Amino acid sequence: DAGVIQSPRHEVTEMGQEVTLRCKPISGHDYLFWYRQTMMRGLELLIYFNNNVPIDDSGMPEDRFSAKMPNASFSTLKIQPSEPRDSAVYFCASSARTGSNQPQHFGDGTRLSIL
Amino acid sequence: AQKITQTQPGMFVQEKEAVTLDCTYDTSDPSYGLFWYKQPSSGEMIFLIYQGSYDQQNATEGRYSLNFQKARKSANLVISASQLGDSAMYFCAMREGRHFGNEKLTFGTGTRLTIIP
Repeated sequence: DAGVIQSPRHEVTEMGQEVTLRCKPISGHDYLFWYRQTMMRGLELLIYFNNNVPIDDSGMPEDRFSAKMPNASFSTLKIQPSEPRDSAVYFCASSARTGSNQPQHFGDGTRLSIL
Repeated sequence: AQKITQTQPGMFVQEKEAVTLDCTYDTSDPSYGLFWYKQPSSGEMIFLIYQGSYDQQNATEGRYSLNFQKARKSANLVISASQLGDSAMYFCAMREGRHFGNEKLTFGTGTRLTIIP
């Protein structure tokens, strides 16, 4: 079975540009999560969705960040305008609906560098 | 206060030896789940093992087992017969509560494990 698919794997862009990260969750999973990983702050939850509806976006750092999930098989995380401090690895993860023991399955991440 | 504490930033272990990675947690919720993930140098996050707060037995999954001591609020990962491929970062994480809305995982800072041949 296909896992969580993220694109692009690497993104290098200049400050001020719009960045769009994409994620396809595992088919049948009802929850989708966006994380950011940096050396300084570790792994942080940015936002998560249940059945395409944003449930908790308290981790989104500021208004420059936005996330959407237009359907069950696709989500985007957008940064506009981007800044050098946004450089990080961004992970998307998904999990099944039932059971507190359901793990989150992670994609391979997008390594983002803002110059 | 940190919800998940991993006090060992790095560990070096001889191949074929067993290794214990420490994790302590802080929660007042009687219902919670603890997860361990492995992150190799290639960067992906791999789920290893889960322990629920109401589970009567320690979780096991192949060479991985969890030494769950509820009263001490610790959930240490034990890797038996370590292999070179076990070299990676290991993260402990917790989900509090089992009702809708509490799907957040809080991660520790990780332990970098290096297996020496």
